[in-house]
Amino acid sequence: GQSLEQPSEVTAVEGAIVQINCTYQTSGFYGLSWYQQHDGGAPTFLSYNGLDGLEETGRFSSFLSRSDSYGYLLLQELQMKDSASYFCAVRDGYSSASKIIFGSGTRLSIRP
Amino acid sequence: NAGVTQTPKFRVLKTGQSMTLLCAQDMNHEYMYWYRQDPGMGLRLIHYSVGEGTTAKGEVPDGYNVSRLKKQNFLLGLESAAPSQTSVYFCASSRAGGQGETQYFGPGTRLLVL
Repeated sequence: GQSLEQPSEVTAVEGAIVQINCTYQTSGFYGLSWYQQHDGGAPTFLSYNGLDGLEETGRFSSFLSRSDSYGYLLLQELQMKDSASYFCAVRDGYSSASKIIFGSGTRLSIRP
Repeated sequence: NAGVTQTPKFRVLKTGQSMTLLCAQDMNHEYMYWYRQDPGMGLRLIHYSVGEGTTAKGEVPDGYNVSRLKKQNFLLGLESAAPSQTSVYFCASSRAGGQGETQYFGPGTRLLVL
């Protein structure tokens, strides 16, 4: 069946760098997305990788290796406001109309 | 530009009651989605739609029905609510094609079934 695996919790220090990994197993694949969700809030889109390699958006970068069914989100220059849950998501198919599956989320805690 | 809005924000139901959750988007997006999120869990797709008049099942469709009669609206119905349906429900929308990987979420509806 389809599944996404990511660590449940990660703790890091303010100003540091942290990497959140995501491995997936799906019947098809159409790119890996990352979302951020603060407690009590709605998810917000962070990044998308449709092809192998690194995508950079400010302090956040995301990487994808389709041959390894693996991706990660890299957060640099961590700030206290980055304390949130981070979810990876993939489409279980070969088109943009395929259904979407989310990982269970990684709760990131930032220490001063 | 309101983005994605959800109605109601909070609701308490008794087991067996029915209700409809309304999602509206003003971004002219083709795709719309309904998710549920249980405490400490990720989002699970209930149903989704890739265009007006079309719907498809997601990961956890049982106990729910949907309709997309207008492009801007996506309705989620619970015909006979059960305590297991206590959750936070999020609606989202996106463009079609490659741009569809950016989903815009509504604020959520908190549902408690007693």
